[in-house]
Amino acid sequence: QSALTQPASVSGSPGQSITISCTGTSSDVGGYNYVSWYQQHPGKAPKLMIYEVSNRPSGVPDRFSGSKSGNTASLTISGLQAEDEADYYCSSYTSSSTPYVVFGGGTKLTVL
Amino acid sequence: EVQLVESGGGLVQPGGSLRLSCAASGFTFSSYSMNWVRQAPGKGLEWVSYISSSSSTIYYADSVKGRFTISRDNAKNSLYLQMNSLRDEDTAVYYCARDQAYCGGDCYYGMDVWGQGTTVTVSS
Repeated sequence: QSALTQPASVSGSPGQSITISCTGTSSDVGGYNYVSWYQQHPGKAPKLMIYEVSNRPSGVPDRFSGSKSGNTASLTISGLQAEDEADYYCSSYTSSSTPYVVFGGGTKLTVL
Repeated sequence: EVQLVESGGGLVQPGGSLRLSCAASGFTFSSYSMNWVRQAPGKGLEWVSYISSSSSTIYYADSVKGRFTISRDNAKNSLYLQMNSLRDEDTAVYYCARDQAYCGGDCYYGMDVWGQGTTVTVSS
């Protein structure tokens, strides 16, 4: 069960936009519209930010958006704010030999 | 308030056993599928196990299959993870997490409620 591939780190200045990619295979990201993204601040539990590729739970700012093309999903954060600095994880439903969910390795977002 | 509270973590020797619990409150526990997700020190999230609302569907990650057992007691609003034959690499913070919507394990709408985590350390 291989993890989805994310960049280890991204950075941006306040007010700018950044995009985090998440690459999988046709057995997970590419095969289903069941991609979710989580935000995790140090020492805290993860928080659901995006589900079903592009849907936001209530309370998540519309600065956060998701998309997918082929085997790669993306999380875009526009109008970066200091409080956005955190680790971000993608996850996807998988139909591999061990079904259900696979996570990406995580991306550290630094707001400069 | 919707809440999940894990307990049962601690220090255990390699080959030992531990049982984690997760107490749910503020929502109808019996209507939701649940998961265990772990995070090794300084590492990313790793999904561990899934159980449907009625316990009819259960999945495990390859890394824990045959050693861990997930279960639930809907009457007690509680989720459990029995961990046997523990290894050094099982050292992690273990979170219980609620599936946002029920679909029997063949779809995934994200995990919308998480506990604060309980720490398991496997070391001699």
